[in-house]
Amino acid sequence: GENVGLHLPTLSVQEGDNSIINCAYSNSASDYFIWYKQESGKGPQFIIDIRSNMDKRQGQRVTVLLNKTVKHLSLQIAATQPGDSAVYFCAGPNSGYSTLTFGKGTMLLVSP
Amino acid sequence: NAGVTQTPKFQVLKTGQSMTLQCAQDMNHNSMYWYRQDPGMGLRLIYYSASEGTTDKGEVPNGYNVSRLNKREFSLRLESAAPSQTSVYFCASSEEGATIQFFGPGTRLTVL
Repeated sequence: GENVGLHLPTLSVQEGDNSIINCAYSNSASDYFIWYKQESGKGPQFIIDIRSNMDKRQGQRVTVLLNKTVKHLSLQIAATQPGDSAVYFCAGPNSGYSTLTFGKGTMLLVSP
Repeated sequence: NAGVTQTPKFQVLKTGQSMTLQCAQDMNHNSMYWYRQDPGMGLRLIYYSASEGTTDKGEVPNGYNVSRLNKREFSLRLESAAPSQTSVYFCASSEEGATIQFFGPGTRLTVL
């Protein structure tokens, strides 16, 4: 199955800074990745996805970058706000494309 | 649309008791999933149902059973609860397999 993992368990930033959350994957055949945000006490919420035929995809204040050469993707959050404090997960398809495999998550802490 | 709903929100059981966690989605999705989330372990798939009438084991199925009652509903049953099953349980649904999954708010289960 897909093995997705995150580089850092916790990331602390100041309000207004840009945040970068990283994720590595092992299956070079994976063609689709998803980022989720999970606030305390809530279920994961879809943020943005990217297909392998793209290197970059932008949303509202978020950008996902995909580097297929080194099997790495990142989520960039511009002008981080206190409301961005949450755990962020990357996910990719398992080998049978029957479900997703999730990384363990990075906790983003935003201080004023 | 309510999206994915789960009941109950909280539950405390004694070892050996049984219970059923309920999940329903109103997005006409084909696939539904049950995950458990433990500190430091991320989301682990218990069971999933790729389509109405089918169920398959995930990463951690032992001690659980599921029923895909119809297209909308997917229940998770603990026949004889154990303290190791203390966790937060999330239900999710997607149009199909390894695509964007939408999560419910979770059930926080404590087994004493």
